[in-house]
Amino acid sequence: QEHLVESGGGVVQPGTSLRLSCAASGFSFSDFAMHWVRQTPGKGLEWVAIISFHGYDKYYADSVKGRFTVSRDNSNNMMFLEMTSLSAEDTALYYCAREKSGAGKYNWFDTWGQGTLVTVSS
Amino acid sequence: SSELTQDPAVSVTLGQTVRITCQGDGLRNFYASWYQQKPGQAPVVVIYGKNNRPSGIPDRFSGSTSGNVASLTITGAQAEDEADYYCNSRDTSGDLRVFGGGTKLTVL
Repeated sequence: QEHLVESGGGVVQPGTSLRLSCAASGFSFSDFAMHWVRQTPGKGLEWVAIISFHGYDKYYADSVKGRFTVSRDNSNNMMFLEMTSLSAEDTALYYCAREKSGAGKYNWFDTWGQGTLVTVSS
Repeated sequence: SSELTQDPAVSVTLGQTVRITCQGDGLRNFYASWYQQKPGQAPVVVIYGKNNRPSGIPDRFSGSTSGNVASLTITGAQAEDEADYYCNSRDTSGDLRVFGGGTKLTVL
């Protein structure tokens, strides 16, 4: 049974940093690209970042580019999101998700964690 | 990058058919995937690729694409289908991912 568990959320002040973790189990973690997706309470989903299966390729949403860094440790089945210069707009539930892909023209998030809540407030 | 546009809210009478649409330039090159999200729960994929349903998703859910518009159709909507639905695809560069704003489905 594939399983993702996020951790590291909390209440932080504007301008500070926070590191989120995503622990994977039940599948071959190093075979899959992984993502961070966030959701502001009561609002929609926002894609945040992707890291390729080997960790060499990383892409970010414009809203977090230059402030957030995604990384992974395949030997320990972990993914991380280092968030800096946090603002109230970053307040959200942060999910990690596994990506599957097919035939080069489509991909989907087939496994999600339950999320970790980040609140940026003074 | 490109955006995906969804209607904020759609309603359907129990047992009837409803279509939820998602429009964006990236859909001309990449298929959408569709996610159902109920309150307090993580999203669940219901359709991916041309028209693929994961194991456990009822066959009343189907997907299609025409030009730059992807559609999720629920044929014979049930009360348990009341939820938020989000489309997702790649942007025009192919590197990024993007979600639509979501559609709140009400089953009357």
